[in-house]
Amino acid sequence: ETGVTQSPTHLIKTRGQQVTLRCSSQSGHNTVSWYQQALGQGPQFIFQYYREEENGRGNFPPRFSGLQFPNYSSELNVNALELDDSALYLCASSPQGARGYTFGSGTRLTVV
Amino acid sequence: DAKTTQPNSMESNEEEPVHLPCNHSTISGTDYIHWYRQLPSQGPEYVIHGLTSNVNNRMASLAIAEDRKSSTLILHRATLRDAAVYYCIPSDKLIFGTGTRLQVFP
Repeated sequence: ETGVTQSPTHLIKTRGQQVTLRCSSQSGHNTVSWYQQALGQGPQFIFQYYREEENGRGNFPPRFSGLQFPNYSSELNVNALELDDSALYLCASSPQGARGYTFGSGTRLTVV
Repeated sequence: DAKTTQPNSMESNEEEPVHLPCNHSTISGTDYIHWYRQLPSQGPEYVIHGLTSNVNNRMASLAIAEDRKSSTLILHRATLRDAAVYYCIPSDKLIFGTGTRLQVFP
């Protein structure tokens, strides 16, 4: 058990639609990061949240947005889906001051 | 972000030691060196991290060069379960590169 749960595990959406991916972290994990991983590539950093505020962002357009909630859960929202958004989306969390992140198993998003 | 160079792939036989190198010549003076690995069909898994001194844990050892421009992840006895992509991340921002794909043969 990793301690980070992501839902759904798989999802198929149509181009132009919107999607919300969810992540549930362990209690006390007040830092959460989201990553996009295309097939055969390393995970690409989307953004990080710390205590419900965005705390860093990678090279992703504004249609990628997020939320972090007081109960250590978080969401990744993607608007106006494009075919290239098809990927594995990973959530990772960490308690304050810790160096190691715990990753979820990811949500496989397919845009058709 | 610090630039990272790792071999694309490496091979090992089971129960042999494996030394996975990483060059990070532009690392910041205060950033930790992190190693993660990703097994097939799973999210990345934390392996080890260090700043200046060599580090050991139940999974691996991390040898850090004195000038911090390179590091080596050491798996003391490789098992088939160690077959994965290993990522060296010389930054507290946890930015992944392409990693080293380790194959372990019985």
